[in-house]
Amino acid sequence: QKEVEQNSGPLSVPEGAIASLNCTYSDRGSQSFFWYRQYSGKSPELIMFIYSNGDKEDGRFTAQLNKASQYVSLLIRDSQPSDSATYLCAVLRNSGNTPLVFGKGTRLSVIA
Amino acid sequence: DARVTQTPRHKVTEMGQEVTMRCQPILGHNTVFWYRQTMMQGLELLAYFRNRAPLDDSGMPKDRFSAEMPDATLATLKIQPSEPRDSAVYFCASGLERQAGLNQPQHFGDGTRLSIL
Repeated sequence: QKEVEQNSGPLSVPEGAIASLNCTYSDRGSQSFFWYRQYSGKSPELIMFIYSNGDKEDGRFTAQLNKASQYVSLLIRDSQPSDSATYLCAVLRNSGNTPLVFGKGTRLSVIA
Repeated sequence: DARVTQTPRHKVTEMGQEVTMRCQPILGHNTVFWYRQTMMQGLELLAYFRNRAPLDDSGMPKDRFSAEMPDATLATLKIQPSEPRDSAVYFCASGLERQAGLNQPQHFGDGTRLSIL
């Protein structure tokens, strides 16, 4: 089992809809979770992070964390064509000297 | 606006040549990461430094790759000799780690797009 798994997509949603991106992780002791957005040919850009179970909202973005199910998701409300990108889930493992582990990303396409 | 700076942005060279990539982390950050990104493998961690000390380079082919931090403002990644399979985008990222293992949002540089012919 990969440490961080994401559906590669592409996930296609119409403009204005809610896009739901999912991520599962294997290390039950993981404590910090991050979502990065990467446009084609660009570097990953941090958009959300979450540490506690439940929801965290920032503008049109909501991160959801369920540690019991080892599941983290990102919801994008009122999706815009400019949201079309690859979204990378990253998990900080419990070991102190171990950095973030990234999933391979989900490609989102918002259709106008 | 603080940024991670990477040079060069693009590099094309022939196999067998030495390649050196440089990274200036964000001032005040105490962790530096080197990643390689390909379509097939996604983002792979190559090396990780905290307070300039190498902590994890298990993802790096030791026979040809080396990573160093000669000072707090410069990290380098070298490939010698380079091979076509090294063609990828190499990202440097930096972060501030206040407590070991906690709160490590990483900020990425723009990357070096490397092509080995």
